[in-house]
Amino acid sequence: EDKVVQSPLSLVVHEGDTVTLNCSYEVTNFRSLLWYKQEKKAPTFLFMLTSSGIEKKSGRLSSILDKKELFSILNITATQTGDSAVYLCAGGNYGQNFVFGPGTRLSVLP
Amino acid sequence: GAVVSQHPSRVICKSGTSVKIECRSLDFQATTMFWYRQFPKQSLMLMATSNEGSKATYEQGVEKDKFLINHASLTLSTLTVTSAHPEDSSFYICSASGTTEAQFFGPGTRLTVL
Repeated sequence: EDKVVQSPLSLVVHEGDTVTLNCSYEVTNFRSLLWYKQEKKAPTFLFMLTSSGIEKKSGRLSSILDKKELFSILNITATQTGDSAVYLCAGGNYGQNFVFGPGTRLSVLP
Repeated sequence: GAVVSQHPSRVICKSGTSVKIECRSLDFQATTMFWYRQFPKQSLMLMATSNEGSKATYEQGVEKDKFLINHASLTLSTLTVTSAHPEDSSFYICSASGTTEAQFFGPGTRLTVL
């Protein structure tokens, strides 16, 4: 059965801290891993990772995929209160459903 | 780019009525659309996958006669909750994918059935 596991499930940090969110997957016909940020409404897209070892970066966020070990990490440096959200990762393939993890709930305290 | 809209954003209805939710890809052609349901503080639960012009594929445990999905064009999919009951109250989210593999989510529809 396909599954995506995220850790930690919940994390509380202070502004300025750096956090690393983990996502491991076992997905049939895996091709890509997606990261999303979900605040009060629907998830917003962060990254799509298809190749191993190539870091994707957007501002203070970065992510990398390891297709050999079947995991990905999402790093957030110099966290801000606006980073507080649930971060979802999902693994899957084009045209098929992506399997979502349970999410990591990040709380950044001022 | 890759904008997905959903309408309505919020709906309150009486038990026994039907509710239609629209999902539109505004700036790309969505060959595949997905419908999710999300309960408070839980992750997304896939309900069904639909490809343009063909019947939707429902996940196990999702009643296809209750949750009618139509994907008539490359930019529009609809979810109709038929004979809604209070237990159908939830946050419904659609997502769409086109030529890229990423799924882009609509803003969601909060359904409350009284």
